[in-house]
Amino acid sequence: SQQGEEDPQALSIQEGENATMNCSYKTSINNLQWYRQNSGRGLVHLILIRSNEREKHSGRLRVTLDTSKKSSSLLITASRAADTASYFCAISPKAGTYKYIFGTGTRLKVLA
Amino acid sequence: DVKVTQSSRYLVKRTGEKVFLECVQDMDHENMFWYRQDPGLGLRLIYFSYDVKMKEKGDIPEGYSVSREKKERFSLILESASTNQTSMYLCASMLAGGLAKNIQYFGAGTRLSVL
Repeated sequence: SQQGEEDPQALSIQEGENATMNCSYKTSINNLQWYRQNSGRGLVHLILIRSNEREKHSGRLRVTLDTSKKSSSLLITASRAADTASYFCAISPKAGTYKYIFGTGTRLKVLA
Repeated sequence: DVKVTQSSRYLVKRTGEKVFLECVQDMDHENMFWYRQDPGLGLRLIYFSYDVKMKEKGDIPEGYSVSREKKERFSLILESASTNQTSMYLCASMLAGGLAKNIQYFGAGTRLSVL
């Protein structure tokens, strides 16, 4: 299966702590994206990292990509209750395709 | 901001009914997608469309069809709804072009229950 797999499936932390979630995949990729989904809503794009990039930052988000290990991690620093959501990685297997492969997600709960 | 609107948040239908799920985007995006989301399975692509009247099967097209008569509207059709099609359905749109534009914008979803 080419499906991305997030780890852990669920994570519960205190407000102010950092949250790290991981995504592993099995195929070579063109790019990898992270999305957030609040309960019962659609997905919102967070960040995109290209296959030739190793790290990207966006506000309190830091994404790393290790293509040799076929894995990516999303770090949310100084978490807030509003960060409570599910987080998905989405993999673009090759350039020119729009058939992204979504993982099953990590459910993050930030306790106030 | 891009807006993707799905016509219904919740739908309840009976087995055998023909069901239409509508999706409209307001940003002139070439690409539109229909996914279903089930617990433990993530998002699975049903169909996508890269232009008006153009469509391509995704990973789970069986039991579904789509229609794209206008650029802004992408409809998902369940010809004869079955209970195993009870799910959350998500529509997305995306601008065609270079890598920087490969971001999908999602609607709020339609939770369909087939009884």
